[in-house]
Amino acid sequence: NAGVTQTPKFQVLKTGQSMTLQCAQDMNHEYMSWYRQDPGMGLRLIHYSVGAGITDQGEVPNGYNVSRSTTEDFPLRLLSAAPSQTSVYFCASSYYRTGELFFGEGSRLTVL
Amino acid sequence: GIQVEQSPPDLILQEGANSTLRCNFSDSVNNLQWFHQNPWGQLINLFYIPSGTKQNGRLSATTVATERYSLLYISSSQTTDSGVYFCAVQKAQGGSEKLVFGKGTKLTVNP
Repeated sequence: NAGVTQTPKFQVLKTGQSMTLQCAQDMNHEYMSWYRQDPGMGLRLIHYSVGAGITDQGEVPNGYNVSRSTTEDFPLRLLSAAPSQTSVYFCASSYYRTGELFFGEGSRLTVL
Repeated sequence: GIQVEQSPPDLILQEGANSTLRCNFSDSVNNLQWFHQNPWGQLINLFYIPSGTKQNGRLSATTVATERYSLLYISSSQTTDSGVYFCAVQKAQGGSEKLVFGKGTKLTVNP
């Protein structure tokens, strides 16, 4: 099993550019989520999904969009990148909303 | 929202020592998990433990839900235990889907 796969692992953007972070899981998990990790801030929830076609906002959703067209995929879109979005992004999934959470390896994003 | 406090923020040990990490939370929870982030940034789930006690090798965890805390025990520590340990909780009431993380305990195990 591949588990949770994130791409790309590293990305450098200029302010105002858009991009999509990809996340895929092969465990048939219903729950998927995106977190960002910043020094001294721990992990903060951006968006989450409890199943295909259902998404909702977390703690820090501004500047990000998500969609969940399939159970396997949960992409995170940055609409117009800002330096404040420089961070490490983690995708995670679990079988159900209160289940054991599994993380991808992370994507390090730098916005200049 | 629910508050999660972890202590100590930093811990330095010699190889072979034992340690206890604490996680306090401000409300009833139906989900509590402990994670280890290794020095390469990878996040590994250690325990899913909303209540009770679990053990996995040299690691064990206890959650006392009625008193709103959880403890992670590391025995005979090894250099590979270094990294940051996170506690994450989900509020029981109100149907919240959000798993909230503490700021972590940074553990350094010296040889």
